[in-house]
Amino acid sequence: EAEVAQSPRYKITEKSQAVAFWCDPISGHATLYWYRQILGQGPELLVQFQDESVVDDSQLPKDRFSAERLKGVDSTLKIQPAELGDSAMYLCASSLATGVSSYNEQFFGPGTRLTVL
Amino acid sequence: GQQVMQIPQYQHVQEGEDFTTYCNSSTTLSNIQWYKQRPGGHPVFLIQLVKSGEVKKQKRLTFQFGEAKKNSSLHITATQTTDVGTYFCAGPGSNYQLIWGAGTKLIIKP
Repeated sequence: EAEVAQSPRYKITEKSQAVAFWCDPISGHATLYWYRQILGQGPELLVQFQDESVVDDSQLPKDRFSAERLKGVDSTLKIQPAELGDSAMYLCASSLATGVSSYNEQFFGPGTRLTVL
Repeated sequence: GQQVMQIPQYQHVQEGEDFTTYCNSSTTLSNIQWYKQRPGGHPVFLIQLVKSGEVKKQKRLTFQFGEAKKNSSLHITATQTTDVGTYFCAGPGSNYQLIWGAGTKLIIKP
């Protein structure tokens, strides 16, 4: 069964350092999402791609976060510099359909657990 | 901003008891999705509701969408240990992205 791949699974870094997370969506899925999930809360959308284009990054802290999906397949989320408050689970998801995103079933990867010391 | 409120935050039940979580929005929703996240895992899609008053069942799980399309519920009959996890509802925001509730954690008492 096809799955969303993410790496690394765990990352420990010191504040002010740069970190990067990688996501490979299910083959053929045009839409890719990056979420941040703080313990005890629901996922919060950071950025949504349709193929290689950003369609929503309104909640992405652009002073320190960046995301790209250059060839419309895999994607990288970067934080520079990391802050203590960035400690969270970073989830990548993908969906097949290209219509209104709220109707699309999303398939999640295992996530990257980030700890900033 | 738009919010999807979900209650309760936690529910402790004995195995075999029922479980219900409620989801409420201040605005009318075009659709609502439900996901389950096992401890240490990632969210997994359960179902989507679109129609006013819609009721869908998956074995022991019953999902409802309110007549006004502002609320939804998930009811589990006779909980089992495999039901443990956090259940999230998610509805569309202003940009049609999903806005997630905070989730209801189902805990089975030992």
